[in-house]
Amino acid sequence: GAVVSQHPSWVICKSGTSVKIECRSLDFQATTMFWYRQFPKQSLMLMATSNEGSKATYEQGVEKDKFLINHASLTLSTLTVTSAHPEDSSFYICSAQGLADYNEQFFGPGTRLTVL
Amino acid sequence: GQNIDQPTEMTATEGAIVQINCTYQTSGFNGLFWYQQHAGEAPTFLSYNVLDGLEEKGRFSSFLSRSKGYSYLLLKELQMKDSASYLCAALDSNYQLIWGAGTKLIIKP
Repeated sequence: GAVVSQHPSWVICKSGTSVKIECRSLDFQATTMFWYRQFPKQSLMLMATSNEGSKATYEQGVEKDKFLINHASLTLSTLTVTSAHPEDSSFYICSAQGLADYNEQFFGPGTRLTVL
Repeated sequence: GQNIDQPTEMTATEGAIVQINCTYQTSGFNGLFWYQQHAGEAPTFLSYNVLDGLEEKGRFSSFLSRSKGYSYLLLKELQMKDSASYLCAALDSNYQLIWGAGTKLIIKP
């Protein structure tokens, strides 16, 4: 159980376009989802925390108008990278809060974004 | 501030044992996680410790000392597939995960 999917797995786009990434919890309801970004050879960097039905909480330095997060249901959160630029090229990973007492996070497989 | 320290890279031999250390400083503490991450993939859960002591799970064990702000992940009978990055993450008082930079483990035949 506790499977999280992400779509697409990889995307290549032109500079200036917008890209939407979906994160779904397949077999459980996730009231909280997290969006991370990971550059090569670096650790995960939390971008924002998304709670179902409310506005996402963004980490310092993350532009909320550029990285739009919507958590419309208990099983789906989306991240839209607006007006993407080459420096936005990264590995984007979502996770969903687990049901265990210790708040385990279950990770999606990640989305590799390349902006040309 | 909050901080997680772990070695950047370690090398070990197939069949051997390796210990990956992690020290943490967080605002409050609600447990420590270890995750495994293969290149180009998302992290996968390995262990969670919130009480002092050793938790054993097959070839992998994790230890925690809350008084010392210290944890380690012990991998026994190393296999080539264990080559990966191992991420240490502490859960702070707000239940937010504070991530270490990860330890890249290289297994040699």
